[in-house]
Amino acid sequence: IAGITQAPTSQILAAGRRMTLRCTQDMRHNAMYWYRQDLGLGLRLIHYSNTAGTTGKGEVPDGYSVSRANTDDFPLTLASAVPSQTSVYFCASSDSSREDEQFFGPGTRLTVL
Amino acid sequence: EDQVTQSPEALRLQEGESSSLNCSYTVSGLRGLFWYRQDPGKGPEFLFTLYSAGEEKEKERLKATLTKKESFLHITAPKPEDSATYLCAVQVSGSARQLTFGSGTQLTVLP
Repeated sequence: IAGITQAPTSQILAAGRRMTLRCTQDMRHNAMYWYRQDLGLGLRLIHYSNTAGTTGKGEVPDGYSVSRANTDDFPLTLASAVPSQTSVYFCASSDSSREDEQFFGPGTRLTVL
Repeated sequence: EDQVTQSPEALRLQEGESSSLNCSYTVSGLRGLFWYRQDPGKGPEFLFTLYSAGEEKEKERLKATLTKKESFLHITAPKPEDSATYLCAVQVSGSARQLTFGSGTQLTVLP
């Protein structure tokens, strides 16, 4: 089934640990995005990639890094997790021919203690 | 700074009771305004894109409209399955494909 998969579904992490959230899409979309969603703040863009090999910073990039080695995968890494990074993380993708519609994955719920 | 404000934060309707959700925005240059639906525990699902003032789009019981300062999502004769959080987002000219989201309106339709 075409779409976006994210892993893990949820994770509890000790502060200071390193964590990588995985995102894979099989729609051959050029652009991919990482958002975090917090109650009352809505979705905020962390990082994005317009094409494989390029990345850019969004609204809240500090403490996060991304890479885009190929079209399908866009992992998000927390080098040293802090409690303020407790959130629900969504990966999304869009097609350059239909760039307006972003398709979202099911999300990863991350708790940093 | 680009801002998107949605109101109300929460709305409870009886089945069949029509209403509207509001999304007001302040941006340097609007490229597009987007509406998404989000069910609990799931990712947002795309509904509409509006590009210019006066534009309208419809899908089943939903109709989205756009002015120069705000957008409305009209829900006609809602059903319980329309219960969800509705998100509004803007794409600014020159910002590549980045979206700036509002905090959403949580809609509950009671049978």
